[in-house]
Amino acid sequence: SQQGEEDPQALSIQEGENATMNCSYKTSINNLQWYRQNSGRGLVHLILIRSNEREKHSGRLRVTLDTSKKSSSLLITASRAADTASYFCATDANNAGNMLTFGGGTRLMVKP
Amino acid sequence: GVTQSPTHLIKTRGQQVTLRCSSQSGHNTVSWYQQALGQGPQFIFQYYREEENGRGNFPPRFSGLQFPNDSSELNVNALELDDSALYLCASSRGGAYNSPLHFGNGTRLTVT
Repeated sequence: SQQGEEDPQALSIQEGENATMNCSYKTSINNLQWYRQNSGRGLVHLILIRSNEREKHSGRLRVTLDTSKKSSSLLITASRAADTASYFCATDANNAGNMLTFGGGTRLMVKP
Repeated sequence: GVTQSPTHLIKTRGQQVTLRCSSQSGHNTVSWYQQALGQGPQFIFQYYREEENGRGNFPPRFSGLQFPNDSSELNVNALELDDSALYLCASSRGGAYNSPLHFGNGTRLTVT
């Protein structure tokens, strides 16, 4: 079963716009991670936010975490056509030892 | 990086399959995930120092091995049609919390 639920399931935007994806989860966590996957290939780690952190930035990426609401969001600013991919949140539950539980993903299409 | 072989495989229901993975240098933990089409990855099991140290909700016909050189195998016996999926191997630094996973590009298994 999948702990996380991403919202929306699919998102289509124009190049230059911002893209926001949301993730909800169910149990207490050690950290939450976001990964990107291009069309049937392996996942690439984007950013990790610890349970005691509220916001983290990496380049054009901004991640927030609200542990009281058990939710996270990923913001991609000034999107590019190359950002077209599926984005997954994954939670590392307390004492899970990096055995991640992934959500169903958001499929992002950025139109040039 | 993490390499997996083969990239694609077609098997018949009831057969057995072995998938292989070579971890990233310096990583001593390997995890395997199953990703059905259009869904997020699901955790199968994790190996650390050649011992299984965690398992997801998969039956015993899914088994694995990790070798001293940090290569690993995923074996699936008595294949079923629902085993058709992308199988992803991921390595990480064991014993380190907040250590992101490094994924291979996966093996696409089709069971007919």
